[in-house]
Amino acid sequence: KQEVTQIPAALSVPEGENLVLNCSFTDSAIYNLQWFRQDPGKGLTSLLLIQSSQREQTSGRLNASLDKSSGRSTLYIAASQPGDSATYLCAVKSGGGADGLTFGKGTHLIIQP
Amino acid sequence: NAGVTQTPKFRILKIGQSMTLQCTQDMNHNYMYWYRQDPGMGLKLIYYSVGAGITDKGEVPNGYNVSRSTTEDFPLRLELAAPSQTSVYFCASSPTSSMNTEAFFGQGTRLTVV
Repeated sequence: KQEVTQIPAALSVPEGENLVLNCSFTDSAIYNLQWFRQDPGKGLTSLLLIQSSQREQTSGRLNASLDKSSGRSTLYIAASQPGDSATYLCAVKSGGGADGLTFGKGTHLIIQP
Repeated sequence: NAGVTQTPKFRILKIGQSMTLQCTQDMNHNYMYWYRQDPGMGLKLIYYSVGAGITDKGEVPNGYNVSRSTTEDFPLRLELAAPSQTSVYFCASSPTSSMNTEAFFGQGTRLTVV
C-alpha cells in the first residue's frame, strides 16, 4: 500500500526566503505526482504535476522535482511572499487507471511579513 | 468556468440522519472521486467512478453510497450519520488516465455530525 509522508509538518519563515518542502512515497512505481495548495476553508488548487518520466516541473517561482528511484519529491519556492502562506499537499497516483490519489498530510507554511 | 461544484458548503447533521452531498462538474470529465479530509490528515478516497453507471469503492467506503447517472453528477449519500463521519468532503474529477492528467477539486463540504 502506497504511503506518502511530508516533512516538515509546519514551517514558518520570513518573507523573501527560498524554501523547500519535502515529500516521500513508499512505492516508487508511480504514475504521476501532484502538488496542491490548500487555503483555509477552501478547496485544493493544483500547482504542479510531474509525470513519472519527468524529473522536474516549473511554474513561476515554484519548482518541483521528482526522484522516483528514491521515492522523493521536493517543492522549491523561491523568494517567498506572505501570499504563499497555505497548506501544501503532495499526492501520488500509483496506477494508470481511475485509481485515486494518495495524499500526504501536508506542510502548513507561514510566511512572515 | 465553474469546474467542480459542491453543495452544500456547510451542514450540521444529527446522529442517525441522512443526507446527500452534491457534486457536479462541467468539464465533461469521465473520472470522478469523493475524498474525506480529517483534521491534520491527508485526504482519503471514499468512492470513485469511471463513467456514468460505473462506481467503485475506495479506501474508506463504509457508511457511504454513491451513484453516477450522468457524466456531470456524482452525489455522495450518508444513510445513518455517525460522529465519525464529521469531516470535510471533497469531490474531484479528471478527464482520462494519462500521465499528464490533473485532478480538479471542488471547494469542499464541511460536515459536522452531533
